[in-house]
Amino acid sequence: KQEVTQIPAALSVPEGENLVLNCSFTDSAIYNLQWFRQDPGKGLTSLLLIQSSQREQTSGRLNASLDKSSGRSTLYIAASQPGDSATYLCAVSAGKSTFGDGTTLTVKP
Amino acid sequence: NAGVTQTPKFQVLKTGQSMTLQCAQDMNHEYMSWYRQDPGMGLRLIHYSVGAGITDQGEVPNGYNVSRSTTEDFPLRLLSAAPSQTSVYFCASSYSRLAGGVYEQYFGPGTRLTVT
Repeated sequence: KQEVTQIPAALSVPEGENLVLNCSFTDSAIYNLQWFRQDPGKGLTSLLLIQSSQREQTSGRLNASLDKSSGRSTLYIAASQPGDSATYLCAVSAGKSTFGDGTTLTVKP
Repeated sequence: NAGVTQTPKFQVLKTGQSMTLQCAQDMNHEYMSWYRQDPGMGLRLIHYSVGAGITDQGEVPNGYNVSRSTTEDFPLRLLSAAPSQTSVYFCASSYSRLAGGVYEQYFGPGTRLTVT
């Protein structure tokens, strides 16, 4: 059974700091890994999708990497802003998706 | 495109009542899924469908039924509501970006269900 772990559960940083969120998974037989953002009381917004054959994807200040062999992914956020405050979820998919419990990020002005 | 829509947004049920949560998508996606999210946790898969007429169980299927008669709609039925089913329910749809099955999921806004 696939298990996905996100560490840390919560993170607080000052504005402007670069930061890394971690996601680890136990079964490397995946099709893709997707990072989502969830604002309080809202649905999920897709940030980045990394196919199993890829090593990383970039979108603006976000960069996600994937190392299937070690079962790890990282989401790098550059020059963090208060508007980045949200919960970040990773999900691995092999047809069905398995989610981590998320990292709640607070960026202080 | 409206994307993935869910109704209702909020619902309060009494224990033992039944109801159907509606989910529709207009992106012609093959795959649709239902998840529940409990406070402080990620999403857990309830049921999913790989196409019209085909459904399968996820991680937490007990107490829920689904059917997929059309590509667009994927309703979730609670047979006899229990307080343990108090949660936020999300519907998602997926398409294959490449041959070989790489699925980017799009989510609806969710239904907040309280069972008293």
